[in-house]
Amino acid sequence: QEQVVQSGAEVKTPGASVTVSCKASGYTFADYIHQWVRQAPGQGPEWMGWINPKSGDTEYAQRFQGRVTTTTDTSITTAYMELSRLTSDDTAIYYCARDRDFHLDFWGQGSLVTVSS
Amino acid sequence: QSALTQPRSVSGSPGQSVTISCTGSSSDVGGSDHLSWYQRHPGKAPKVIIYDVNKRPSGVPDRFSGSKSGNTASLTISGLRAEDEADYYCCSYAGSHNYVFGIGTEVTVL
Repeated sequence: QEQVVQSGAEVKTPGASVTVSCKASGYTFADYIHQWVRQAPGQGPEWMGWINPKSGDTEYAQRFQGRVTTTTDTSITTAYMELSRLTSDDTAIYYCARDRDFHLDFWGQGSLVTVSS
Repeated sequence: QSALTQPRSVSGSPGQSVTISCTGSSSDVGGSDHLSWYQRHPGKAPKVIIYDVNKRPSGVPDRFSGSKSGNTASLTISGLRAEDEADYYCCSYAGSHNYVFGIGTEVTVL
């Protein structure tokens, strides 16, 4: 059974970086692009970027370019998203999701990142 | 890309039908056949309930249906049930594996 399990909640101070991990199981991890989406309190989801585990190709939303880095470790079927230079506006639930045929068919449970001084 | 417009909330009694609209532009909703809808219960992972405008993944009840006309897509929930109370988000494929989401609609079952 396909499953995506994310790392736990994090509390960070402004200016710090955070890394969220996403462990996939039940499917061939490298065959699918994996997306990162975040949802801030009271707002809709926001697409951040994607990574192709097989090729290592990535693409990021313009507003995150220079601050976000996505990587994968195919040996342990895990994707990572690092966001740097955090501000309070980055307080959100961060999700990873499998991209299949132009929609996101399996999502992680989400990782709450709180940025507070 | 701007977020797609959805009503903040809709409500209905059990057994009734509710429809959620999702309005974008010719650059996203109007120009893409890859419009999906996601259901999210509090504290749970989002779940795809409609993809490619009107297709349902295996296991999603046929009470959920999708459609699109021009720059507006719609999700209809027929025979509303208590377990349908959740947040619903539309999402349009924007090319190159990029996506734009709606702001979300809270469905309340009265």
